[in-house]
Amino acid sequence: GAGVSQSPRYKVTKRGQDVALRCDPISGHVSLYWYRQALGQGPEFLTYFNYEAQQDKSGLPNDRFSAERPEGSISTLTIQRTEQRDSAMYRCASSLNEADTQYFGPGTRLTVL
Amino acid sequence: KNEVEQSPQNLTAQEGEFITINCSYSVGISALHWLQQHPGGGIVSLFMLSSGKKKHGRLIATINIQEKHSSLHITASHPRDSAVYICAAYTDKLIFGTGTRLQVFP
Repeated sequence: GAGVSQSPRYKVTKRGQDVALRCDPISGHVSLYWYRQALGQGPEFLTYFNYEAQQDKSGLPNDRFSAERPEGSISTLTIQRTEQRDSAMYRCASSLNEADTQYFGPGTRLTVL
Repeated sequence: KNEVEQSPQNLTAQEGEFITINCSYSVGISALHWLQQHPGGGIVSLFMLSSGKKKHGRLIATINIQEKHSSLHITASHPRDSAVYICAAYTDKLIFGTGTRLQVFP
């Protein structure tokens, strides 16, 4: 079946604009994770969901970042009033259950000008 | 000090060499993941282990829970193994190491 997909793959926006990044996990996967990866760095955890419930949002940098997964499938990561320091690769992963192998999407590369 | 540390940061090898990448962690974990990030940026999960050893093809991963240490070995390395290898400790979320950049030359 299809893997994890993310859209858009690339997003260029101006500082101050809001952006919404979408993640479509593997069908049937309970857990969905959001990560951010700066150039040359390893990924860092942002938040994760089991079904529609957000379990941990301790990695979200500040209150401009939010995420939802209203029906327990597709998730959206929203960044309000973007800043240049938000530029990074945003990756989504899903797993069948919590603590199972995670399957990563291709990422959305966000550039804030 | 990072909770998950890898060594070496960079590694070059000749084709055919045996490769070892090390990962040490300071947190209590339920599992440890080894991931491969391709030059194009995609991330692939290689192993998830909580004890002992796992083998897949030319890749072997071991973990010593008491010593909080894991190793990833590549036997008979090949240029296509060139990638960044990342270990990640799973607590209730993944905590990533900084990665080891491997280059294998023909």
